[in-house]
Amino acid sequence: AQKITQTQPGMFVQEKEAVTLDCTYDTSDQSYGLFWYKQPSSGEMIFLIYQGSYDEQNATEGRYSLNFQKARKSANLVISASQLGDSAMYFCAMREGWGYGGSQGNLIFGKGTKLSVKP
Amino acid sequence: DTAVSQTPKYLVTQMGNDKSIKCEQNLGHDTMYWYKQDSKKFLKIMFSYNNKELIINETVPNRFSPKSPDKAHLNLHINSLELGDSAVYFCASSHSGTGFHEQYFGPGTRLTVT
Repeated sequence: AQKITQTQPGMFVQEKEAVTLDCTYDTSDQSYGLFWYKQPSSGEMIFLIYQGSYDEQNATEGRYSLNFQKARKSANLVISASQLGDSAMYFCAMREGWGYGGSQGNLIFGKGTKLSVKP
Repeated sequence: DTAVSQTPKYLVTQMGNDKSIKCEQNLGHDTMYWYKQDSKKFLKIMFSYNNKELIINETVPNRFSPKSPDKAHLNLHINSLELGDSAVYFCASSHSGTGFHEQYFGPGTRLTVT
C-alpha cells in the first residue's frame, strides 16, 4: 500500500486565487513528520513547509499553509494568492518515527501534483 | 554558498560503463542521502549515510555503491550501467537525531544511459 497518496496528477489555478493540493498518508507510527517540497521545471527540490504529528496548530510559511487533519490522515497544502512562479511539481513526503535508526530518517514521497498557474 | 552540490549536473554514457556522481554539503549535517527520480517523477530513497556508516540500503542493485570519505561527502558509484538506470539522482543532507530535520537537496544529476 502507498504510504503517501497524492490523487491530483495535475491542477490548474487562476493567478491570485488560492489552491489546495491534496495529500493523504498511511502510517501506524504515532510520531511522524509531513513535508511539502516544490520542484520547478529547473529541477531542484525546494522545501516549503513541515508539520509534525504532535503539532496542534497547522503550519504556515508565508503564502503556504498546511491543512493537517490527523484523524483523516491528510496533510493538504494550501497556496494562497497563486503566482505564475508557483507553477511546478509539488511533492508531499513523510518521515516516519521521531528518533533515528533504520529507515526513520528517510523521506517517503508521493507521486506529486503538477500545478499550473494561469495568467 | 551552495549548501548541497552535485557533480556532474548531466551525465551521458553508454551501457556497461562505470560512472560516479559526487555530492558535497557544507551545512555541517551528519546524514546524507541519495534519491532516484524516475521518468515519471517518482522519488525514492536509495541510501542514507550517518557519520560515515551506511544505515539503510534499500533494494537497489549492488551495482550501486555509496562511498563517503568524510561526513561532508557522499559519492555514488554505479557499475555496469543499464538503460533502466537513466534517471535524475538527488543527493540530500540533514541533521540526525530526534525531531524535525529538514532535508536539503542538491540540484540533481541527470543520468542518461544509451
